Amino acid sequence: NAGVTQTPKFQVLKTGQSMTLQCAQDMNHEYMSWYRQDPGMGLRLIHYSVGAGITDQGEVPNGYNVSRSTTEDFPLRLLSAAPSQTSVYFCASSSSVVGGSGNTIYFGEGSWLTVV
Amino acid sequence: DQQVKQNSPSLSVQEGRISILNCDYTNSMFDYFLWYKKYPAEGPTFLISISSIKDKNEDGRFTVFLNKSAKHLSLHIVPSQPGDSAVYFCGFQGGSEKLVFGKGTKLTVNP
Repeated sequence: NAGVTQTPKFQVLKTGQSMTLQCAQDMNHEYMSWYRQDPGMGLRLIHYSVGAGITDQGEVPNGYNVSRSTTEDFPLRLLSAAPSQTSVYFCASSSSVVGGSGNTIYFGEGSWLTVV
Repeated sequence: DQQVKQNSPSLSVQEGRISILNCDYTNSMFDYFLWYKKYPAEGPTFLISISSIKDKNEDGRFTVFLNKSAKHLSLHIVPSQPGDSAVYFCGFQGGSEKLVFGKGTKLTVNP
């Protein structure tokens, strides 16, 4: 992959537990984001950040929290896990907010989360 | 309200033939239009893109067409190969910093 690392790759949580999905990139990208992929729903944006100290909500932010204290890291926190948060989570980064051939968005390999 | 629609959840074509994947969008403020490809158990990877000032962009077997008046984006793969079998997502970005995706189309290329 192109330098976006997600951990853990697999996780099982009990309802009500909290956890953090880690995302790190070594490309000095300003723009980072989190998506979740569910069957029939495609990739839905949870939260995104345009630089250290700046975050904003995406399409489905409820139940998740993010922070961006460094350029490299963008952790996603589940505050109180619910079965509806069972999904595959992808972190992504790019050098600019503008998409296009010069600013490809790179995705991590995914984190599979099951909430029971 | 969904801004991006990929109305075909799946598509099956024969090897060597053309694959055409389609997207419709509602937001006329989009500046860039992208296609991503995803294999099972892997992250999506960038395939091809087009800016709103163009109507066609070609890269090898892959061509993306943009019809702004119809708010329609399409991806043509010619000739299709079995290795092209994957889920394809169209993505749109513009105005704000958000990149939004469609629900994906699963392409199966049969040998």
